[in-house]
Amino acid sequence: AQKITQTQPGMFVQEKEAVTLDCTYDTSDPSYGLFWYKQPSSGEMIFLIYQGSYDQQNATEGRYSLNFQKARKSANLVISASQLGDSAMYFCAMREGKGTYKYIFGTGTRLKVLA
Amino acid sequence: NAGVTQTPKFQVLKTGQSMTLQCAQDMNHEYMSWYRQDPGMGLRLIHYSVGAGITDQGEVPNGYNVSRSTTEDFPLRLLSAAPSQTSVYFCASSTDQGGDNSPLHFGNGTRLTVT
Repeated sequence: AQKITQTQPGMFVQEKEAVTLDCTYDTSDPSYGLFWYKQPSSGEMIFLIYQGSYDQQNATEGRYSLNFQKARKSANLVISASQLGDSAMYFCAMREGKGTYKYIFGTGTRLKVLA
Repeated sequence: NAGVTQTPKFQVLKTGQSMTLQCAQDMNHEYMSWYRQDPGMGLRLIHYSVGAGITDQGEVPNGYNVSRSTTEDFPLRLLSAAPSQTSVYFCASSTDQGGDNSPLHFGNGTRLTVT
C-alpha cells in the first residue's frame, strides 16, 4: 500500500541557513507524483513544488528544491536561505499514477526559523 | 478567481446534531475530495469524487456522507456528530488535464468542534 513517512515532527533552523525536510514514500506504481505543501499558522494549504517519478532532474521553485532519490524512495524538500516567514508546517504528499486521483499525505514537519 | 470555497469557517455542534459542510470550486476540476486534519496525523482522506454522480470512500469515511450532483459542488454531511469528529476539514480539488503534476487546490478549511 502507498505510504508517506515524515520522520521529523519538528525542526529548527537559523535564519538565512538552508534546511532539509525529509520525506520517504512507498509505492509499487512506477508512475507517481510527489508534492510538498506549506501550512502557515493561518491554516491554509499552499502548494510549493512537484516532482514526477519520471523526471530526470530535481525540481526547483525559487528557494525550494526537491532532492529526489528514486532508488531510496525519498523526496526531501530543501529550503535555501531560510526566512522567518518559512516557519510553518510542511507536508509531503504523493499521487499514484494517472487517473487514480488519490493523494496521500505524511504527518508533517513543523519548521521554526530562528532570528 | 475564487478557487475552492468552503463554508463555514467555524462551527460548533452538540453530539448528535447534523450539519453539512459546503465546498464549491470554479476551476472545472473533475476531482474533489474531503480531508480531515488532526494533530500528529496529517491529512486523512474522507471521501472523494472523480466527477458528477461518482463518489468513493477514502481512508476514514465512517460518519460522513457525500454527493456530487454538479461539477462545482461537493458537500460533506455529518449525520450525527460525535466528539471524535472534532477536527479541521479541508475540501480540495484537482484535474487530470495536467497529468501527474496536478496539485490539489485547497479551500481554507472548516474548524469543527463537537461538544
